[in-house]
Amino acid sequence: NAGVTQTPKFQVLKTGQSMTLQCAQDMNHEYMSWYRQDPGMGLRLIHYSVGAGITDQGEVPNGYNVSRSTTEDFPLRLLSAAPSQTSVYFCASSYFLRASEAFFGQGTRLTVV
Amino acid sequence: AQKVTQAQTEISVVEKEDVTLDCVYETRDTTYYLFWYKQPPSGELVFLIRRNSFDEQNEISGRYSWNFQKSTSSFNFTITASQVVDSAVYFCALSQRNTGNQFYFGTGTSLTVIP
Repeated sequence: NAGVTQTPKFQVLKTGQSMTLQCAQDMNHEYMSWYRQDPGMGLRLIHYSVGAGITDQGEVPNGYNVSRSTTEDFPLRLLSAAPSQTSVYFCASSYFLRASEAFFGQGTRLTVV
Repeated sequence: AQKVTQAQTEISVVEKEDVTLDCVYETRDTTYYLFWYKQPPSGELVFLIRRNSFDEQNEISGRYSWNFQKSTSSFNFTITASQVVDSAVYFCALSQRNTGNQFYFGTGTSLTVIP
Protein backbone atom coordinates (compact mmCIF):
# COMPACT_ATOMS: atom_id res chain seq x y z
CA ASN A 1 0.00 0.00 0.00
CA ALA A 2 2.05 2.94 -1.29
CA GLY A 3 -0.28 5.82 -0.33
CA VAL A 4 1.04 9.10 -1.74
CA THR A 5 4.32 8.90 -3.61
CA GLN A 6 6.15 12.13 -4.20
CA THR A 7 9.38 12.59 -6.12
CA PRO A 8 12.08 13.80 -5.97
CA LYS A 9 12.92 14.11 -2.29
CA PHE A 10 15.56 16.80 -2.85
CA GLN A 11 16.23 19.13 -5.75
CA VAL A 12 18.50 22.07 -6.45
CA LEU A 13 17.61 24.36 -9.33
CA LYS A 14 19.18 27.39 -10.86
CA THR A 15 17.11 30.52 -11.23
CA GLY A 16 15.09 30.35 -14.41
CA GLN A 17 15.11 26.58 -14.74
CA SER A 18 11.89 24.63 -14.89
CA MET A 19 11.02 21.32 -13.32
CA THR A 20 8.13 19.05 -12.43
CA LEU A 21 7.42 17.58 -9.03
CA GLN A 22 5.66 14.27 -9.36
CA CYS A 23 2.81 13.07 -7.15
CA ALA A 24 0.87 9.83 -7.40
CA GLN A 25 -1.67 8.21 -5.10
CA ASP A 26 -3.16 4.75 -5.17
CA MET A 27 -6.14 5.28 -2.85
CA ASN A 28 -8.59 6.42 -5.54
CA HIS A 29 -8.93 9.80 -3.84
CA GLU A 30 -10.74 12.48 -5.78
CA TYR A 31 -9.06 15.42 -4.06
CA MET A 32 -5.38 16.16 -4.53
CA SER A 33 -3.44 19.23 -3.56
CA TRP A 34 -0.02 20.81 -3.36
CA TYR A 35 1.28 22.79 -0.41
CA ARG A 36 4.44 24.63 0.31
CA GLN A 37 5.86 24.85 3.80
CA ASP A 38 7.96 27.80 4.83
CA PRO A 39 9.28 28.57 8.31
CA GLY A 40 6.65 30.18 10.51
CA MET A 41 3.97 30.06 7.83
CA GLY A 42 2.52 26.60 8.14
CA LEU A 43 1.34 24.88 4.98
CA ARG A 44 0.00 27.08 2.23
CA LEU A 45 -2.13 25.73 -0.56
CA ILE A 46 -0.72 26.18 -4.07
CA HIS A 47 -3.17 24.33 -6.32
CA TYR A 48 -5.76 21.66 -5.88
CA SER A 49 -7.91 19.31 -7.91
CA VAL A 50 -11.25 17.68 -7.17
CA GLY A 51 -11.00 15.17 -9.98
CA ALA A 52 -9.42 14.38 -13.33
CA GLY A 53 -9.57 17.38 -15.63
CA ILE A 54 -10.42 19.82 -12.83
CA THR A 55 -7.88 22.08 -11.14
CA ASP A 56 -8.05 25.33 -9.25
CA GLN A 57 -5.79 27.83 -7.58
CA GLY A 58 -5.07 27.96 -3.91
CA GLU A 59 -3.57 30.68 -1.78
CA VAL A 60 -0.16 30.97 -3.49
CA PRO A 61 -0.47 29.80 -7.13
CA ASN A 62 1.85 32.24 -8.91
CA GLY A 63 4.80 30.60 -10.63
CA TYR A 64 3.26 27.13 -10.53
CA ASN A 65 1.20 25.10 -12.95
CA VAL A 66 -0.73 21.86 -12.48
CA SER A 67 -2.75 19.39 -14.49
CA ARG A 68 -4.79 16.32 -13.59
CA SER A 69 -5.13 13.92 -16.48
CA THR A 70 -5.78 10.88 -14.29
CA THR A 71 -7.18 10.27 -10.83
CA GLU A 72 -3.82 8.99 -9.65
CA ASP A 73 -1.39 11.70 -10.79
CA PHE A 74 -1.11 15.38 -9.96
CA PRO A 75 2.22 16.89 -11.07
CA LEU A 76 3.34 20.38 -10.06
CA ARG A 77 5.36 22.39 -12.55
CA LEU A 78 7.66 25.25 -11.74
CA LEU A 79 7.74 27.32 -14.89
CA SER A 80 10.79 29.50 -14.21
CA ALA A 81 12.25 28.88 -10.79
CA ALA A 82 12.95 31.82 -8.50
CA PRO A 83 14.76 31.91 -5.14
CA SER A 84 11.41 32.74 -3.50
CA GLN A 85 10.28 29.24 -4.45
CA THR A 86 12.85 27.68 -2.18
CA SER A 87 10.65 25.67 0.13
CA VAL A 88 9.46 22.24 1.15
CA TYR A 89 6.63 21.00 -1.03
CA PHE A 90 4.01 18.47 -0.01
CA CYS A 91 1.48 16.66 -2.12
CA ALA A 92 -1.68 15.43 -0.40
CA SER A 93 -4.75 13.43 -1.31
CA SER A 94 -8.09 12.83 0.36
CA TYR A 95 -11.69 12.01 -0.36
CA PHE A 96 -13.89 14.79 -1.66
CA LEU A 97 -17.11 15.91 0.01
CA ARG A 98 -16.82 13.48 2.87
CA ALA A 99 -14.94 13.38 6.11
CA SER A 100 -11.38 12.45 5.35
CA GLU A 101 -7.97 13.22 6.61
CA ALA A 102 -5.35 14.29 4.10
CA PHE A 103 -2.65 11.77 3.28
CA PHE A 104 0.69 13.39 2.57
CA GLY A 105 3.68 12.49 0.50
CA GLN A 106 7.15 12.54 1.99
CA GLY A 107 7.86 16.06 0.82
CA THR A 108 10.33 17.63 -1.62
CA ARG A 109 12.97 20.00 -0.37
CA LEU A 110 13.61 22.42 -3.22
CA THR A 111 16.42 24.96 -3.26
CA VAL A 112 16.62 27.58 -5.99
CA VAL A 113 20.00 29.25 -6.29
CA ALA B 1 -13.65 33.17 6.32
CA GLN B 2 -11.76 30.12 7.46
CA LYS B 3 -8.80 30.41 9.71
CA VAL B 4 -6.81 28.33 12.15
CA THR B 5 -4.69 30.01 14.80
CA GLN B 6 -1.96 28.34 16.79
CA ALA B 7 -0.72 31.15 18.97
CA GLN B 8 2.10 29.13 20.54
CA THR B 9 5.02 29.21 18.16
CA GLU B 10 7.46 27.24 20.31
CA ILE B 11 7.09 25.33 23.55
CA SER B 12 9.77 23.62 25.63
CA VAL B 13 9.00 21.21 28.42
CA VAL B 14 11.02 18.84 30.53
CA GLU B 15 10.39 15.17 29.97
CA LYS B 16 7.40 13.77 31.88
CA GLU B 17 5.69 17.14 32.09
CA ASP B 18 2.24 17.55 30.59
CA VAL B 19 1.83 20.04 27.76
CA THR B 20 -1.20 21.49 25.98
CA LEU B 21 -1.09 22.80 22.44
CA ASP B 22 -3.76 25.36 21.65
CA CYS B 23 -5.79 25.61 18.47
CA VAL B 24 -8.50 28.15 17.73
CA TYR B 25 -10.47 28.06 14.51
CA GLU B 26 -12.89 30.25 12.60
CA THR B 27 -15.55 29.02 10.23
CA ARG B 28 -19.08 29.89 9.18
CA ASP B 29 -19.92 26.39 8.07
CA THR B 30 -21.91 24.16 10.40
CA THR B 31 -20.28 21.00 9.05
CA TYR B 32 -16.54 20.97 9.40
CA TYR B 33 -13.70 18.76 10.48
CA LEU B 34 -10.72 19.41 12.68
CA PHE B 35 -7.39 17.64 12.56
CA TRP B 36 -4.06 17.41 14.26
CA TYR B 37 -0.89 16.41 12.43
CA LYS B 38 2.58 15.76 13.77
CA GLN B 39 5.73 16.61 11.84
CA PRO B 40 8.78 14.99 13.46
CA PRO B 41 12.31 16.14 12.62
CA SER B 42 12.37 13.66 9.73
CA GLY B 43 9.83 15.92 8.00
CA GLU B 44 6.86 13.74 7.13
CA LEU B 45 3.35 14.71 8.19
CA VAL B 46 1.67 12.17 10.42
CA PHE B 47 -2.08 12.23 10.93
CA LEU B 48 -3.11 12.08 14.59
CA ILE B 49 -6.84 12.70 14.83
CA ARG B 50 -9.94 13.89 13.02
CA ARG B 51 -12.98 15.36 14.74
CA ASN B 52 -16.23 16.39 13.09
CA SER B 53 -18.26 19.38 14.17
CA PHE B 54 -21.11 17.28 15.53
CA ASP B 55 -18.98 15.31 17.93
CA GLU B 56 -17.78 17.28 20.92
CA GLN B 57 -16.71 14.29 22.92
CA ASN B 58 -13.18 14.51 24.12
CA GLU B 59 -10.89 11.76 22.98
CA ILE B 60 -8.00 10.01 24.63
CA SER B 61 -5.46 7.83 22.91
CA GLY B 62 -2.70 6.70 25.20
CA ARG B 63 -0.82 9.78 26.36
CA TYR B 64 -2.65 11.99 23.88
CA SER B 65 -5.97 13.69 24.51
CA TRP B 66 -8.01 16.22 22.63
CA ASN B 67 -10.49 18.76 23.97
CA PHE B 68 -12.98 20.06 21.43
CA GLN B 69 -15.15 23.00 22.54
CA LYS B 70 -17.45 24.57 19.98
CA SER B 71 -18.40 27.35 22.39
CA THR B 72 -14.86 28.70 22.27
CA SER B 73 -13.99 27.37 18.77
CA SER B 74 -11.05 25.51 20.19
CA PHE B 75 -9.54 22.09 19.62
CA ASN B 76 -6.68 21.71 22.05
CA PHE B 77 -4.23 18.85 22.22
CA THR B 78 -2.66 17.62 25.44
CA ILE B 79 0.30 15.30 25.76
CA THR B 80 0.57 13.70 29.18
CA ALA B 81 3.94 12.66 30.58
CA SER B 82 5.81 13.99 27.55
CA GLN B 83 8.68 12.07 26.04
CA VAL B 84 11.61 13.09 23.88
CA VAL B 85 9.98 11.34 20.92
CA ASP B 86 7.14 13.86 21.17
CA SER B 87 9.48 16.60 20.00
CA ALA B 88 8.00 17.75 16.71
CA VAL B 89 6.01 20.47 15.03
CA TYR B 90 2.29 20.01 15.51
CA PHE B 91 -0.25 21.39 13.10
CA CYS B 92 -3.93 21.95 13.66
CA ALA B 93 -6.12 22.02 10.54
CA LEU B 94 -9.71 22.64 9.47
CA SER B 95 -11.69 21.43 6.48
CA GLN B 96 -15.26 22.27 5.58
CA ARG B 97 -17.96 20.51 3.70
CA ASN B 98 -18.89 23.61 1.69
CA THR B 99 -15.39 23.84 0.18
CA GLY B 100 -15.12 20.18 -0.70
CA ASN B 101 -12.19 19.10 1.35
CA GLN B 102 -9.87 22.06 1.26
CA PHE B 103 -7.67 22.13 4.33
CA TYR B 104 -6.68 25.23 6.27
CA PHE B 105 -3.62 24.80 8.43
CA GLY B 106 -2.38 26.72 11.41
CA THR B 107 1.22 27.88 11.46
CA GLY B 108 2.24 25.07 13.76
CA THR B 109 3.65 24.75 17.26
CA SER B 110 7.18 23.49 17.67
CA LEU B 111 7.43 21.31 20.76
CA THR B 112 10.77 20.44 22.29
CA VAL B 113 10.89 17.89 25.08
CA ILE B 114 14.07 18.18 27.07
CA PRO B 115 15.42 14.98 28.63
